Amino acid sequence: AQKITQTQPGMFVQEKEAVTLDCTYDTSDPSYGLFWYKQPSSGEMIFLIYQGSYDQQNATEGRYSLNFQKARKSANLVISASQLGDSAMYFCAMRVEISHGGSQGNLIFGKGTKLSVKP
Amino acid sequence: DTGVSQDPRHKITKRGQNVTFRCDPISEHNRLYWYRQTLGQGPEFLTYFQNEAQLEKSRLLSDRFSAERPKGSFSTLEIQRTEQGDSAMYLCASSLSAVSYEQYFGPGTRLTVT
Repeated sequence: AQKITQTQPGMFVQEKEAVTLDCTYDTSDPSYGLFWYKQPSSGEMIFLIYQGSYDQQNATEGRYSLNFQKARKSANLVISASQLGDSAMYFCAMRVEISHGGSQGNLIFGKGTKLSVKP
Repeated sequence: DTGVSQDPRHKITKRGQNVTFRCDPISEHNRLYWYRQTLGQGPEFLTYFQNEAQLEKSRLLSDRFSAERPKGSFSTLEIQRTEQGDSAMYLCASSLSAVSYEQYFGPGTRLTVT
């Protein structure tokens, strides 16, 4: 069964410092995608970054980077130079790209990590 | 605003009543997803559509839940005979195709069943 595990319920980081949010995943399918979403208190899910299982390089998007370690089945999010506006819930998610002849599009989410940025 | 929109944003209803939510995806997106998020949890998949066809339903979608996308554009999610356990945020997302990796989420509808 596919599963996403986020073991950090809450994290604190000082403004302008870097922070790593942990994510491990479980799937037996060879082709999958890993995602990180940010959910502010307003509730909307904001896409941050994507990593495909066959991508050779770690994904980066501005201050966000994904530390993809396939053998360890981990996909940690690194936020550099934290800002007060980064305070939010962060969700790791996985999508199986092609499964058993069909294409599954739904995302499987972890329970999230609440990040608080201190001034 | 050309993002995903959902209506209403908040709904309070009494147990046993029926409720209906609407989702308008980004106009050129042919895939539409419904998720449910309870307090302290990540979103859980409910169902998705490719154009007007409902391709998959989670076992979370009991027979009190029904979803439609009649013309392949907007979608509705109806819950009949609501229960207190239905209280949650209902999120809609859309994507361009099965290949496109990014799902764009709407602001959600927060349902409270009293």
